[in-house]
Amino acid sequence: DTEVTQTPKHLVMGMTNKKSLKCEQHMGHRAMYWYKQKAKKPPELMFVYSYEKLSINESVPSRFSPECPNSSLLNLHLHALQPEDSALYLCASSQAGNTIYFGEGSWLTVV
Amino acid sequence: GDSVTQMEGPVTLSEEAFLTINCTYTATGYPSLFWYVQYPGEGLQLLLKATKADDKGSNKGFEATYRKETTSFHLEKGSVQVSDSAVYFCALNGNAGNMLTFGGGTRLMVKP
Repeated sequence: DTEVTQTPKHLVMGMTNKKSLKCEQHMGHRAMYWYKQKAKKPPELMFVYSYEKLSINESVPSRFSPECPNSSLLNLHLHALQPEDSALYLCASSQAGNTIYFGEGSWLTVV
Repeated sequence: GDSVTQMEGPVTLSEEAFLTINCTYTATGYPSLFWYVQYPGEGLQLLLKATKADDKGSNKGFEATYRKETTSFHLEKGSVQVSDSAVYFCALNGNAGNMLTFGGGTRLMVKP
């Protein structure tokens, strides 16, 4: 069963709020990812964790803060976001070097 | 660097028509190739994959063959259904093994 679970599915937050997106997988995958997808565009890579350590940060602004508490969980902490950060945020996981599986995404609206 | 080019949409077809969505790539070495599908309001689902030259990936009636000589991975389906309406992304996973390079996506609309 290839399943990546993301919560919440929808989030509306103000520009001064602090919120978090959560992601969980139980496939034993050791790489986990955050992607951002704007309307009518392909996903853009934000962060990669490999064996619970941050291995790639694609020059993402510091108002996005990832955290990998253990090999099954990945969080994205959000603070002082801008309206242009409104997007679909996708979590994904893979066994190193293999197929990357995506979750259903969290729809974020910043007001 | 790696890149993926796929035909721009939208592609509009009648039910039971034949589908081809073209995808070509540029990459060093021997990348793995993927098609992902995104239904309205949902995340990305893996549709099919191929990991080496001449491999054919298939799923749900969709097929794509890894052609190294033409650096292509075209998606085909013999008879589309309304439920196939979605955005289709071609992607490659290069030598680093942990990063996907996506094409721009092709929206497919199937009319009854």
